[in-house]
Amino acid sequence: GESVGLHLPTLSVQEGDNSIINCAYSNSASDYFIWYKQESGKGPQFIIDIRSNMDKRQGQRVTVLLNKTVKHLSLQIAATQPGDSAVYFCAETFGNEKLTFGTGTRLTIIP
Amino acid sequence: GAVVSQHPSWVICKSGTSVKIECRSLDFQATTMFWYRQFPKQSLMLMATSNEGSKATYEQGVEKDKFLINHASLTLSTLTVTSAHPEDSSFYICSARDLLRGTQPQHFGDGTRLSIL
Repeated sequence: GESVGLHLPTLSVQEGDNSIINCAYSNSASDYFIWYKQESGKGPQFIIDIRSNMDKRQGQRVTVLLNKTVKHLSLQIAATQPGDSAVYFCAETFGNEKLTFGTGTRLTIIP
Repeated sequence: GAVVSQHPSWVICKSGTSVKIECRSLDFQATTMFWYRQFPKQSLMLMATSNEGSKATYEQGVEKDKFLINHASLTLSTLTVTSAHPEDSSFYICSARDLLRGTQPQHFGDGTRLSIL
């Protein structure tokens, strides 16, 4: 069936550096994508979203890039901080229906 | 805004017990709530979609008689794990969509850690 997956299960980044988390999706019909951050023992926290009619969206220290040609999504975090350490999930949906989550990437910020 | 609260946050009980988990939208109305299950080091897997005033829609492989869902109001959905067994131990997370906004993103609760002895 359709699935959303990530290339890297773990990522370690030096504090202050930029990080990039990648996600591949297989449902070409998906029209809305979201990045969530999940800290240990908590629920997912919304970071940023993007619709399929866009290829880039920026937030505070975060940027999401969407490449529909290769069905790839990425999350860029600028100037990483210790508080950025968490598991990051991409999620996709079509037609405002249920979300399908990727497998997750654990980001560790090295002091 | 857009706060979703789950209760309890953590429960330990004996095998065979039924456990009820509540999911509340605190500052918005939600006609639709979602229940997920997350095993350690894994992603969130959707169990069911809870619709206010109607029956829940369950994902394939999820037993509706095992996981009872009630969505009696626009701010409350409950998940009851009936006759729980050790294999039901997991992290259960709910989410809700803001009725007025109508679209994503879903807002998530902080989950309920269920441990069955």
